[in-house]
Amino acid sequence: AAGVIQSPRHLIKEKRETATLKCYPIPRHDTVYWYQQGPGQDPQFLISFYEKMQSDKGSIPDRFSAQQFSDYHSELNMSSLELGDSALYFCASSQAPGGGRTSTDTQYFGPGTRLTVL
Amino acid sequence: AQTVTQSQPEMSVQEAETVTLSCTYDTSESDYYLFWYKQPPSRQMILVIRQEAYKQQNATENRFSVNFQKAAKSFSLKISDSQLGDAAMYFCAYGFGGTSYGKLTFGQGTILTVHP
Repeated sequence: AAGVIQSPRHLIKEKRETATLKCYPIPRHDTVYWYQQGPGQDPQFLISFYEKMQSDKGSIPDRFSAQQFSDYHSELNMSSLELGDSALYFCASSQAPGGGRTSTDTQYFGPGTRLTVL
Repeated sequence: AQTVTQSQPEMSVQEAETVTLSCTYDTSESDYYLFWYKQPPSRQMILVIRQEAYKQQNATENRFSVNFQKAAKSFSLKISDSQLGDAAMYFCAYGFGGTSYGKLTFGQGTILTVHP
């Protein structure tokens, strides 16, 4: 079965540089989530999109922005990178349920992008 | 705000034995989802099992089952016949079901070691 694709898998940047992370959700999934997982920590929610509109926002720095495109892929743009931004960034996707209860709320995670800021 | 607590930073089990990982959560909502995710050394987040709060029946997936106690806000994971491949970090997660696109709130994680 198709899974969530994230690119690049590894990224090394210098302080104050810019990074762009990409996420391609599972086909027919209309919701994308971004999470940040620091070393030894649990994933923290950053932002989500449903049908190309921002649906929820967590503890995402103002230096970060994201969007979901017409083909449902999403990009997380990170500017003025800081050492503390070094982390594993996950994208997850899900399919919003229809009128009744379904089992499609489950979020499926991509392999993550490991960002290292030097 | 919803919180998820995993009080066991580390657990260990012998191969073929059974182990239970604990999770408690705090919410004022009645409609929500609970999940267990496994994160092996590859750091991939793998769904293990999910439970809808409106269902009284405990979810099971092969060797994995949960004990969902809604009133106590407890959601434990039981792994039967443990295998070496079960060794990983396990995260309990809460998702609000009130919207179609609820973020997940994770617990701190439990590192499971499986001894041969």
